[in-house]
Amino acid sequence: DGGITQSPKYLFRKEGQNVTLSCEQNLNHDAMYWYRQDPGQGLRLIYYSQIVNDFQKGDIAEGYSVSREKKESFPLTVTSAQKNPTAFYLCASSMSQETQYFGPGTRLLVL
Amino acid sequence: GESVGLHLPTLSVQEGDNSIINCAYSNSASDYFIWYKQESGKGPQFIIDIRSNMDKRQGQRVTVLLNKTVKHLSLQIAATQPGDSAVYFCAEDFGNEKLTFGTGTRLTIIP
Repeated sequence: DGGITQSPKYLFRKEGQNVTLSCEQNLNHDAMYWYRQDPGQGLRLIYYSQIVNDFQKGDIAEGYSVSREKKESFPLTVTSAQKNPTAFYLCASSMSQETQYFGPGTRLLVL
Repeated sequence: GESVGLHLPTLSVQEGDNSIINCAYSNSASDYFIWYKQESGKGPQFIIDIRSNMDKRQGQRVTVLLNKTVKHLSLQIAATQPGDSAVYFCAEDFGNEKLTFGTGTRLTIIP
Protein backbone atom coordinates (compact mmCIF):
# COMPACT_ATOMS: atom_id res chain seq x y z
CA ASP A 1 0.00 0.00 0.00
CA GLY A 2 1.21 3.49 -0.80
CA GLY A 3 0.99 6.11 1.87
CA ILE A 4 2.46 7.92 4.80
CA THR A 5 3.24 6.14 8.03
CA GLN A 6 4.02 7.65 11.41
CA SER A 7 5.33 5.89 14.46
CA PRO A 8 4.77 5.44 17.24
CA LYS A 9 1.07 6.15 17.61
CA TYR A 10 1.61 7.24 21.23
CA LEU A 11 4.86 8.52 22.72
CA PHE A 12 5.67 9.42 26.29
CA ARG A 13 8.42 11.87 27.14
CA LYS A 14 10.10 12.41 30.46
CA GLU A 15 11.20 15.88 31.46
CA GLY A 16 14.52 16.81 29.88
CA GLN A 17 14.38 13.98 27.37
CA ASN A 18 14.67 14.24 23.61
CA VAL A 19 12.28 12.07 21.61
CA THR A 20 12.10 11.36 17.89
CA LEU A 21 8.95 10.88 15.85
CA SER A 22 9.18 8.88 12.66
CA CYS A 23 7.58 9.76 9.32
CA GLU A 24 7.99 7.65 6.20
CA GLN A 25 6.33 7.94 2.79
CA ASN A 26 6.47 5.72 -0.29
CA LEU A 27 4.57 8.10 -2.55
CA ASN A 28 7.75 9.47 -4.14
CA HIS A 29 6.78 12.92 -2.93
CA ASP A 30 9.42 15.62 -2.95
CA ALA A 31 8.10 17.73 -0.07
CA MET A 32 7.45 16.71 3.51
CA TYR A 33 5.99 18.65 6.43
CA TRP A 34 5.56 18.47 10.19
CA TYR A 35 2.60 20.06 11.94
CA ARG A 36 1.54 20.36 15.54
CA GLN A 37 -2.13 20.26 16.50
CA ASP A 38 -3.40 21.31 19.91
CA PRO A 39 -6.95 20.52 21.10
CA GLY A 40 -9.61 22.55 19.32
CA GLN A 41 -7.07 24.26 17.13
CA GLY A 42 -5.85 24.11 13.58
CA LEU A 43 -2.51 22.83 12.36
CA ARG A 44 0.65 24.84 12.88
CA LEU A 45 3.71 24.26 10.73
CA ILE A 46 6.89 23.22 12.55
CA TYR A 47 9.33 22.39 9.73
CA TYR A 48 9.15 21.51 6.07
CA SER A 49 11.48 20.11 3.46
CA GLN A 50 11.14 20.50 -0.28
CA ILE A 51 14.13 18.37 -1.27
CA VAL A 52 16.57 15.95 0.31
CA ASN A 53 19.21 17.50 2.57
CA ASP A 54 17.31 20.77 2.80
CA PHE A 55 14.63 21.98 5.21
CA GLN A 56 13.13 25.24 6.45
CA LYS A 57 11.64 26.42 9.71
CA GLY A 58 7.93 26.84 9.90
CA ASP A 59 5.96 29.04 12.27
CA ILE A 60 6.81 27.22 15.52
CA ALA A 61 10.24 25.61 15.00
CA GLU A 62 11.71 26.46 18.41
CA GLY A 63 12.41 23.35 20.46
CA TYR A 64 12.26 21.03 17.45
CA SER A 65 14.78 19.67 14.96
CA VAL A 66 14.52 17.64 11.75
CA SER A 67 16.66 15.90 9.15
CA ARG A 68 16.02 14.89 5.56
CA GLU A 69 18.73 12.41 4.60
CA LYS A 70 16.42 10.33 2.44
CA LYS A 71 13.50 11.30 0.23
CA GLU A 72 11.24 8.83 2.02
CA SER A 73 11.98 9.88 5.58
CA PHE A 74 11.57 13.08 7.60
CA PRO A 75 12.04 12.42 11.34
CA LEU A 76 11.15 15.07 13.90
CA THR A 77 12.99 15.39 17.21
CA VAL A 78 11.25 17.11 20.08
CA THR A 79 14.06 18.44 22.23
CA SER A 80 14.16 19.26 25.92
CA ALA A 81 13.98 22.92 24.91
CA GLN A 82 10.34 22.44 23.91
CA LYS A 83 8.63 23.22 27.22
CA ASN A 84 5.10 22.36 26.16
CA PRO A 85 5.43 19.34 23.88
CA THR A 86 2.09 17.67 24.60
CA ALA A 87 0.21 17.69 21.29
CA PHE A 88 -0.83 15.65 18.28
CA TYR A 89 1.94 15.66 15.66
CA LEU A 90 1.09 15.23 12.01
CA CYS A 91 3.40 14.55 9.10
CA ALA A 92 2.40 15.30 5.52
CA SER A 93 3.93 14.98 2.07
CA SER A 94 3.21 16.38 -1.37
CA MET A 95 4.51 16.69 -4.86
CA SER A 96 5.71 20.22 -5.46
CA GLN A 97 2.83 22.73 -5.23
CA GLU A 98 0.21 20.03 -4.95
CA THR A 99 -2.09 18.69 -2.29
CA GLN A 100 -0.57 17.63 1.02
CA TYR A 101 -1.46 14.16 2.25
CA PHE A 102 -1.28 13.37 5.94
CA GLY A 103 -0.15 10.46 8.03
CA PRO A 104 -2.16 9.06 10.97
CA GLY A 105 -0.38 11.18 13.58
CA THR A 106 1.60 10.65 16.78
CA ARG A 107 0.24 11.75 20.12
CA LEU A 108 3.01 12.94 22.44
CA LEU A 109 2.39 13.01 26.16
CA VAL A 110 4.64 14.21 28.95
CA LEU A 111 5.15 12.08 32.04
CA GLY B 1 -1.70 39.56 9.15
CA GLU B 2 -3.27 37.08 6.77
CA SER B 3 -5.59 34.46 8.21
CA VAL B 4 -7.91 31.68 7.28
CA GLY B 5 -10.94 31.39 9.51
CA LEU B 6 -14.29 29.73 9.79
CA HIS B 7 -17.63 31.38 10.50
CA LEU B 8 -18.99 28.64 12.78
CA PRO B 9 -17.05 26.35 15.10
CA THR B 10 -19.86 23.73 15.30
CA LEU B 11 -22.62 22.59 12.98
CA SER B 12 -25.34 20.00 13.58
CA VAL B 13 -27.24 18.59 10.63
CA GLN B 14 -30.00 16.02 10.37
CA GLU B 15 -28.99 12.82 8.60
CA GLY B 16 -29.95 13.03 4.95
CA ASP B 17 -29.93 16.82 4.86
CA ASN B 18 -27.32 18.89 3.07
CA SER B 19 -24.65 20.71 5.06
CA ILE B 20 -22.66 23.81 4.24
CA ILE B 21 -19.40 24.66 5.95
CA ASN B 22 -17.96 28.12 5.38
CA CYS B 23 -14.47 29.55 5.39
CA ALA B 24 -13.21 33.10 5.03
CA TYR B 25 -9.76 33.96 3.78
CA SER B 26 -8.02 37.30 3.65
CA ASN B 27 -5.05 36.81 1.32
CA SER B 28 -6.11 37.82 -2.17
CA ALA B 29 -2.89 36.30 -3.52
CA SER B 30 -3.92 32.77 -2.48
CA ASP B 31 -4.27 30.57 -5.53
CA TYR B 32 -5.11 27.15 -4.15
CA PHE B 33 -7.58 25.97 -1.50
CA ILE B 34 -8.16 22.58 0.04
CA TRP B 35 -10.80 21.06 2.29
CA TYR B 36 -9.77 18.35 4.73
CA LYS B 37 -11.84 16.07 6.96
CA GLN B 38 -10.40 14.96 10.29
CA GLU B 39 -11.95 12.23 12.39
CA SER B 40 -11.11 11.98 16.04
CA GLY B 41 -7.56 10.79 16.67
CA LYS B 42 -6.72 10.55 12.98
CA GLY B 43 -4.82 12.59 10.44
CA PRO B 44 -6.66 14.98 8.09
CA GLN B 45 -8.04 13.38 4.96
CA PHE B 46 -8.14 15.23 1.65
CA ILE B 47 -11.69 15.89 0.43
CA ILE B 48 -11.54 18.32 -2.46
CA ASP B 49 -9.50 21.22 -3.75
CA ILE B 50 -10.02 24.22 -5.98
CA ARG B 51 -7.74 26.68 -7.72
CA SER B 52 -8.35 30.39 -7.87
CA ASN B 53 -9.22 30.31 -11.58
CA MET B 54 -12.35 28.28 -10.77
CA ASP B 55 -15.60 29.17 -9.00
CA LYS B 56 -16.94 25.69 -8.37
CA ARG B 57 -15.74 22.12 -8.26
CA GLN B 58 -17.72 18.98 -7.60
CA GLY B 59 -16.74 15.63 -6.19
CA GLN B 60 -18.66 12.69 -4.89
CA ARG B 61 -21.39 14.24 -2.68
CA VAL B 62 -19.22 17.30 -2.10
CA THR B 63 -19.02 20.66 -3.83
CA VAL B 64 -16.60 23.48 -3.14
CA LEU B 65 -17.53 27.03 -4.05
CA LEU B 66 -15.05 29.87 -4.25
CA ASN B 67 -16.14 33.50 -4.20
CA LYS B 68 -13.06 35.60 -4.78
CA THR B 69 -14.98 38.87 -4.59
CA VAL B 70 -15.72 38.38 -0.90
CA LYS B 71 -12.87 35.97 -0.23
CA HIS B 72 -15.16 33.16 0.81
CA LEU B 73 -14.91 29.40 0.44
CA SER B 74 -17.61 26.86 1.21
CA LEU B 75 -17.93 23.10 1.32
CA GLN B 76 -21.31 21.58 0.59
CA ILE B 77 -21.98 17.98 1.56
CA ALA B 78 -25.08 16.43 0.05
CA ALA B 79 -27.28 13.87 1.81
CA THR B 80 -25.16 13.75 4.94
CA GLN B 81 -24.43 10.40 6.54
CA PRO B 82 -23.26 9.47 10.06
CA GLY B 83 -19.77 8.93 8.67
CA ASP B 84 -19.61 12.60 7.73
CA SER B 85 -19.32 13.56 11.40
CA ALA B 86 -15.85 15.05 11.79
CA VAL B 87 -13.94 18.30 11.95
CA TYR B 88 -13.56 20.01 8.60
CA PHE B 89 -10.65 22.33 7.84
CA CYS B 90 -10.06 24.66 4.98
CA ALA B 91 -6.48 25.37 4.00
CA GLU B 92 -5.02 28.12 1.88
CA ASP B 93 -1.87 28.12 -0.24
CA PHE B 94 -0.25 31.46 -0.83
CA GLY B 95 1.85 29.94 -3.58
CA ASN B 96 4.88 29.31 -1.37
CA GLU B 97 4.27 25.57 -0.91
CA LYS B 98 3.01 26.11 2.63
CA LEU B 99 -0.57 25.74 3.74
CA THR B 100 -2.33 27.92 6.30
CA PHE B 101 -5.15 26.13 8.11
CA GLY B 102 -8.29 27.42 9.72
CA THR B 103 -9.29 26.27 13.20
CA GLY B 104 -11.93 23.87 11.85
CA THR B 105 -15.69 23.29 12.06
CA ARG B 106 -17.07 20.31 13.91
CA LEU B 107 -19.88 18.73 11.94
CA THR B 108 -22.27 16.49 13.86
CA ILE B 109 -24.85 14.39 12.03
CA ILE B 110 -28.05 13.82 13.98
CA PRO B 111 -29.65 10.41 13.30
